[in-house]
Amino acid sequence: EVQLVESGGGLVQPGGSLRLSCAASGFAFNSYWMHWARQAPGTGLVWVSRIDPDASKTWYADSVKGRFTISRDNAKNTLYLQMNALRVEDTAVYFCAREAYAQGQRWFDPWGQGTLVTVSS
Amino acid sequence: EIVLTQSPGTLSLSPGEGATLSCRASQSLNISYLAWYQQKPGQPPRLLVYGASRRATGIPDRFSGSGSGTDFTLTISRLEPEDFAVYYCQQFNNSWTFGQGTKVDIK
Repeated sequence: EVQLVESGGGLVQPGGSLRLSCAASGFAFNSYWMHWARQAPGTGLVWVSRIDPDASKTWYADSVKGRFTISRDNAKNTLYLQMNALRVEDTAVYFCAREAYAQGQRWFDPWGQGTLVTVSS
Repeated sequence: EIVLTQSPGTLSLSPGEGATLSCRASQSLNISYLAWYQQKPGQPPRLLVYGASRRATGIPDRFSGSGSGTDFTLTISRLEPEDFAVYYCQQFNNSWTFGQGTKVDIK
């Protein structure tokens, strides 16, 4: 079964740091682009970051650029998101997702269950 | 950045009725790069449609996607009780933005 499981969320003070992990199983992790997206309480989905299969290239939303770092360990089938200088507005459920592709088309599937990050004093 | 605008914000319908959800892009999209997702409370998004019109594996045929250019539509032919949820469109043409969602709730 293709599966993604996030961990590492929690309560952190403004200015603090947190590292999220996403454990992948059931597919060739090292062949796929991977993403983080987030969803603040009661709001919609927002894309956060992307990393290519061999970790040579990364992309970030402007709102997190310079504060968040996406990385991966293909030997451990794990995706990471290092979040520094956290702000109250970073409070959200963070999802990891696989960017699947076929015949020139692309989509996110599967998604992990999500991990809640709360930034508050 | 490509902005996706979904309408309506909320659709109040009864089981058995049909639903038409719109997703309008601020720039023309390659149809290969438009997807639709369903999300229920406390759950992650679930892929419904990719490539604007291709149903994902296991998705019932009452769900169909269409459109091109800047205008895309997700149609649910006959709403089942499990279809009441929030629906998002997403584009991959330029970055990876989502629409703000359309909530389909029970009338």
